[in-house]
Amino acid sequence: DTGVSQNPRHKITKRGQNVTFRCDPISEHNRLYWYRQTLGQGPEFLTYFQNEAQLEKSRLLSDRFSAERPKGSFSTLEIQRTEQGDSAMYLCASSLRPTGGFSGANVLTFGAGSRLTVL
Amino acid sequence: GIQVEQSPPDLILQEGANSTLRCNFSDSVNNLQWFHQNPWGQLINLFYIPSGTKQNGRLSATTVATERYSLLYISSSQTTDSGVYFCAVPAYSGAGSYQLTFGKGTKLSVIP
Repeated sequence: DTGVSQNPRHKITKRGQNVTFRCDPISEHNRLYWYRQTLGQGPEFLTYFQNEAQLEKSRLLSDRFSAERPKGSFSTLEIQRTEQGDSAMYLCASSLRPTGGFSGANVLTFGAGSRLTVL
Repeated sequence: GIQVEQSPPDLILQEGANSTLRCNFSDSVNNLQWFHQNPWGQLINLFYIPSGTKQNGRLSATTVATERYSLLYISSSQTTDSGVYFCAVPAYSGAGSYQLTFGKGTKLSVIP
């Protein structure tokens, strides 16, 4: 178990460029989440996958953002036509669907994040 | 959605002191987690505690679900405890959503 891995750790780009982040979750985890965190704030939910299905998307997520989890393993988050307001830390987390019908237990393990700076 | 408030927003402690961090939430929840974000940005899950009390070393947490608050206790604080502590609960009551709403956090600075 190597934890949740995110790449790249830092990305500096110019406004209008596209960027892509990758997340490799803990191997046995079937749930994967993307969150965004700006300075001085708590993480904000962006989207959630169970296996390869994208089951929830935040209303905050504009159509410039797209996420995939093609084989239910790693995930990518792409931001098209970046804007300065997209500058943030993009966090990936994973969790294991609990057994025994305990629907509340959904303990998240976060990666170290990918910091995006849009100039 | 469910609202989360954390207090205090900032806390400075002398090494060895004890502290209590509070998280209030606006509706009943079946999931509450405490996280520590270290100065390098890594979020570490401390507790999953929708109700009751748990202890892990110098840290303990209590959630009183009927009164909609949770407390995180840090005893004999160390400089490595510095960082931001977040409380997170489901964004919406009821089943069907796996979004977590995070509070704004308590920034803890432990000085030698």
